[in-house]
Amino acid sequence: GAVVSQHPSWVICKSGTSVKIECRSLDFQATTMFWYRQFPKQSLMLMATSNEGSKATYEQGVEKDKFLINHASLTLSTLTVTSAHPEDSSFYICSARGQGDYEQYFGPGTRLTVT
Amino acid sequence: GQNIDQPTEMTATEGAIVQINCTYQTSGFNGLFWYQQHAGEAPTFLSYNVLDGLEEKGRFSSFLSRSKGYSYLLLKELQMKDSASYLCAVTDSNYQLIWGAGTKLIIKP
Repeated sequence: GAVVSQHPSWVICKSGTSVKIECRSLDFQATTMFWYRQFPKQSLMLMATSNEGSKATYEQGVEKDKFLINHASLTLSTLTVTSAHPEDSSFYICSARGQGDYEQYFGPGTRLTVT
Repeated sequence: GQNIDQPTEMTATEGAIVQINCTYQTSGFNGLFWYQQHAGEAPTFLSYNVLDGLEEKGRFSSFLSRSKGYSYLLLKELQMKDSASYLCAVTDSNYQLIWGAGTKLIIKP
């Protein structure tokens, strides 16, 4: 149980375009979802935390107008990278946590390359 | 501020034992996690400690001392596939997960 999927697993896009990444909890209700970014050889960096039905809370230094997060249901959250630039190329990972649960369950990640 | 420290890199020999330490200073404490992350993949859960003491799970064990703000992950009978980064993370009083930078473990034959 506690499976989280991400789609797509990898994506290449041109500079200036927008990319949407989906994160789904397949067998549980995710009241809270987290979006992380990880650059090569660096640790996870939390970008934002979202609770179902409410606005996401962004970490300091993360542009909320550039990284749009929608957590519209208990099983789906989306991250849209708007007007992507090459420096946005990274490994984006989501995780999900159920009500009263202590553990975050991670998706497999999405590798974004902006050319 | 909140801080988690763990060694950047460690090297061990196949078949041996290695201990990866983690010290933390956080606003509140609601549990400590260890995750394993292979290059290019998402983290996978290894262990969770919320009370003092040792939790054993197969070849992996995790220890916690809340009074010392200290944990370690012990890996026995090391295998080449154990080469990965090991991430220590602490849940603070707001149930936010504070991440360490990770320890890259290199296993040599």
